[in-house]
Amino acid sequence: ETGVTQTPRHLVMGMTNKKSLKCEQHLGHNAMYWYKQSAKKPLELMFVYNFKEQTENNSVPSRFSPECPNSSHLFLHLHTLQPEDSALYLCASSQGSGYLGYEQYFGPGTRLTVT
Amino acid sequence: EDKVVQSPLSLVVHEGDTVTLNCSYEVTNFRSLLWYKQEKKAPTFLFMLTSSGIEKKSGRLSSILDKKELSSILNITATQTGDSAIYLCAVKLDNDMRFGAGTRLTVKP
Repeated sequence: ETGVTQTPRHLVMGMTNKKSLKCEQHLGHNAMYWYKQSAKKPLELMFVYNFKEQTENNSVPSRFSPECPNSSHLFLHLHTLQPEDSALYLCASSQGSGYLGYEQYFGPGTRLTVT
Repeated sequence: EDKVVQSPLSLVVHEGDTVTLNCSYEVTNFRSLLWYKQEKKAPTFLFMLTSSGIEKKSGRLSSILDKKELSSILNITATQTGDSAIYLCAVKLDNDMRFGAGTRLTVKP
């Protein structure tokens, strides 16, 4: 138990559906992250939020839309996804996102399957 | 292009063996290097290294960074079956975090 929770743990959705992934951290951290982990590929950083402000968007398609209403909650809204978007989506948090690189604590992930 | 390369990709050892995992990087604006252990889903933090030549140690695990060689090693001594996992190396850049593909370690009884 890392103090970062994610729901749902598993999600199957069609390409025309709209769904949201939720992440919550109970560590008092200021920064939150979304990562994508596809089979046989390294973890890819998608979005970074620091003090609720988005500081990074690594060329992620617009069908992924993040939302960070406060420092403890992070959402990833999904719409019109493609089968290649099927992956494990991991949320993480850290004390800050500054250039020194604070260690990140990861949630258990949401296993997403797009049919 | 920034990249992080881990070797070997997979490794099978027996309990009690000592293993050394490697991570090399070619990046701009290096800030720190981190090691994580991923057993089932959530990677768990092991070490963060920012200074060259200073070993960090936690129990049977230790790690060191060599900025001249642009690399880091993770050592595990007296391995146990519970050490079986994927070990991830990540490099923190100014505005990004790049992960290697990981080393899958299997420790047999």
